[in-house]
Amino acid sequence: DGGITQSPKYLFRKEGQNVTLSCEQNLNHDAMYWYRQDPGQGLRLIYYSQIVNDFQKGDIAEGYSVSREKKESFPLTVTSAQKNPTAFYLCASSTTRTRSRELFFGEGSRLTVL
Amino acid sequence: ILNVEQSPQSLHVQEGDSTNFTCSFPSSNFYALHWYRWETAKSPEALFVMTLNGDEKKKGRISATLNTKEGYSYLYIKGSQPEDSATYLCACGRGGADGLTFGKGTHLIIQP
Repeated sequence: DGGITQSPKYLFRKEGQNVTLSCEQNLNHDAMYWYRQDPGQGLRLIYYSQIVNDFQKGDIAEGYSVSREKKESFPLTVTSAQKNPTAFYLCASSTTRTRSRELFFGEGSRLTVL
Repeated sequence: ILNVEQSPQSLHVQEGDSTNFTCSFPSSNFYALHWYRWETAKSPEALFVMTLNGDEKKKGRISATLNTKEGYSYLYIKGSQPEDSATYLCACGRGGADGLTFGKGTHLIIQP
């Protein structure tokens, strides 16, 4: 089935550790995105990529890093520099070929920093 | 950063009743308006994407309208059913494939 797979679903990290969240899509989409959700807030854009080997900072990129070496994959690293990393993270993808670029989402990864 | 506002924040509706909620957004430099439904333990799913002023879209009992000149969109649900219980997200496109700016959502609970 076509879709977006995020892993792990739940992740616990000690303070000071980096952690990488995986996002893979088989929808042949050019664009991929990472969002963060916190209680009482809307989804906030961390990073996005419109094409392989290129990515842009979103609204809250500090403390995060990404790579886009393959079209299908857009991993997000939460570094020790991220001050409040405990959150729910959603990955999404979309085509870039039409104006109505609906997002297709994964099921999310919940990160808890102990 | 775009400011996308949704109201109300939460809503309890009796089964069978109709309901609607609002999304407001900056009317300048409008690109696209998205509605998503997010059910518990699932991924958000797109309901509608609208790009033109006056757009009206319908999917079953759910419909949406768009007014880009005044910067608002309404989502309507006719004859609410328990399966309509979800969080409804509104989002504005920024142009190109630059990602969306989301509102905080409207949490809808349908009471039997």
